[in-house]
Order: sequence, then C-alpha cells, then structure tokens
Amino acid sequence: EPEVTQTPSHQVTQMGQEVILRCVPISNHLYFYWYRQILGQKVEFLVSFYNNEISEKSEIFDDQFSVERPDGSNFTLKIRSTKLEDSAMYFCASSEAGGIVNTEAFFGQGTRLTVV
Amino acid sequence: EDKVVQSPLSLVVHEGDTVTLNCSYEVTNFRSLLWYKQEKKAPTFLFMLTSSGIEKKSGRLSSILDKKELFSILNITATQTGDSAVYLCAVRAGTYKYIFGTGTRLKVLA
Repeated sequence: EPEVTQTPSHQVTQMGQEVILRCVPISNHLYFYWYRQILGQKVEFLVSFYNNEISEKSEIFDDQFSVERPDGSNFTLKIRSTKLEDSAMYFCASSEAGGIVNTEAFFGQGTRLTVV
Repeated sequence: EDKVVQSPLSLVVHEGDTVTLNCSYEVTNFRSLLWYKQEKKAPTFLFMLTSSGIEKKSGRLSSILDKKELFSILNITATQTGDSAVYLCAVRAGTYKYIFGTGTRLKVLA
C-alpha cells in the first residue's frame, strides 16, 4: 500500500542550527502539507504546497521556515535557525486532490525534532 | 478564527462497551470533516464526511455529520483493547488546510 515516508525518524539539533526534514509523498498525489505536533498538544497546520508553490501557510510558518520540492519525489521542510520551541513531531502529508475536490490526506510517520 | 473542538478529552471504558466521540466545528468555507486514529505516531485515516446525515461505516466504527448543527460523532461498538488510541477530528476549511481538534484519548481496559 502506498505510504508517505519521512526521514529521519528522530533528529537532535543544537539551537541556532539549520535542519532539513525530508518527505516522500505518495507518488500520484499533487498536494503536500507539513504539520507539527508539540508533545501533548494538537496537530497544527504549517503549510500546504501545490504546483511548486505554497498555497497556504499558518502564522507559525514564519521566515525561519521554507519548503521545497527539489525533484519529482521529495518534499522538504527547512528550519533555518532552530529554537527550543521548534521541538515537536513534524508530520508530512499528501493528498491526491485539493481545491474544491474533497479528499483525505495521508500522513507520514513523522520526524521527532529535538532542539537542545 | 476557525476552530475544532472535541469531547471528551479522554475516556476510559471496558472491552465490549460502546463509545461515542464528539467533534464540533466553526470554520469558514467548510469542505469536509475527517476522522483519524493516532496510536503512536502518524494519524491514520478513518472516515471522510461531506454530506449531512449519511453514515459512514467500517466494521465496528461508524460516523455521521450534521452540517446544520456543525458537529460529527464517531461511534465505536464492542470496543477492544486495540481501539485504544487518540482519535482526531479534522476539518478541511477553505481549499488547502485541515484544522485538527485536540483529540479524544480513548483507553479500553481488558
């Protein structure tokens, strides 16, 4: 069964360092998302991406964050200068459609980012 | 501000019990409501609801949406210990994002 894959599963980084979280969405999906879940809190929307550009972003997704689809399969989230409060589980998701078409999003297993 | 509220926050039942989980929402430009099960890591998809009054069913799980009253319920009958998880409700608002509730943590005791 097709699935969204994320690497690494766990990353520890020092405050101020840059991190790149990687995702391979399901191959025929066109819409990609990043969400995060701080321990014990709810899943929060960060950004959605379609047709090689950001379609929507939340207020959490500030200038420290960026996303990229560097090739036909990968979708990455970069945090330029990590802060302690960036520690969270980051989920990548993809969906076959979007816009006015209703579809479910499928989530990867997540990358647990720990900033020390 | 768009919001999704789930209740109860947590629930402890015994195997064989039936549970009802609630999700209410206030969003602009509602598209669909989705239920996910989160056990250890990734939320796994259960149901997507777009129309009022039409029950979706999968085994012992079922769900229904009321777009007039802006809520959905997820029912689990004859619960098993394997149903223990956090159940997440998400609403697709606008075109490009899903808004999640805080989840209901269900624990089923043997």
